[in-house]
Amino acid sequence: IAGITQAPTSQILAAGRRMTLRCTQDMRHNAMYWYRQDLGLGLRLIHYSNTAGTTGKGEVPDGYSVSRANTDDFPLTLASAVPSQTSVYFCASSLTSLSTDTQYFGPGTRLTVL
Amino acid sequence: RKEVEQDPGPFNVPEGATVAFNCTYSNSASQSFFWYRQDCRKEPKLLMSVYSSGNEDGRFTAQLNRASQYISLLIRDSKLSDSATYLCVVQPGNNRKLIWGLGTSLAVNP
Repeated sequence: IAGITQAPTSQILAAGRRMTLRCTQDMRHNAMYWYRQDLGLGLRLIHYSNTAGTTGKGEVPDGYSVSRANTDDFPLTLASAVPSQTSVYFCASSLTSLSTDTQYFGPGTRLTVL
Repeated sequence: RKEVEQDPGPFNVPEGATVAFNCTYSNSASQSFFWYRQDCRKEPKLLMSVYSSGNEDGRFTAQLNRASQYISLLIRDSKLSDSATYLCVVQPGNNRKLIWGLGTSLAVNP
């Protein structure tokens, strides 16, 4: 693994189903983030984690949950998917939670909820 | 008013042209500023941070104007490979997380 990876690359999901998007980084970054990107709305922060064991809510957290059991992994779970959660989801990480640190992004997961 | 606003474009320019983008922000307490680049259907990648004194990286120059609350990105001698969407990113202060602009689309034509 080099950098930050996400899985799956894309997914079509029936409404009401539970789904976990995976994110793994091998850069030993302390901070990790989940964004969604929608046409006309740009990148919006869903949840973040400043360090392993801690999480926080971003701008659009409703319907999503995260956990940060270790430094490398930061999964995003949709407990009961709805069509409005159709989006491109990006995971990102940075060395620390300081705003001056560069955020490195994974390749994204394209999720369609029908 | 949105916290971070950009002209969406698209900007269509010929190779070799100079092109400039502006981005305005609403919170005067904003502390950190960045330009990210995003290619079609790819992830965003940092292009450059924007410092108070202005900074240059090869053909790219970034400026910050705190009085008028905007940042700019100048691209000289445009290349075909510069075609992308350029995202303005601002940390609005008070320990808040980054706010992302919607992006400006650039197409450099042969």
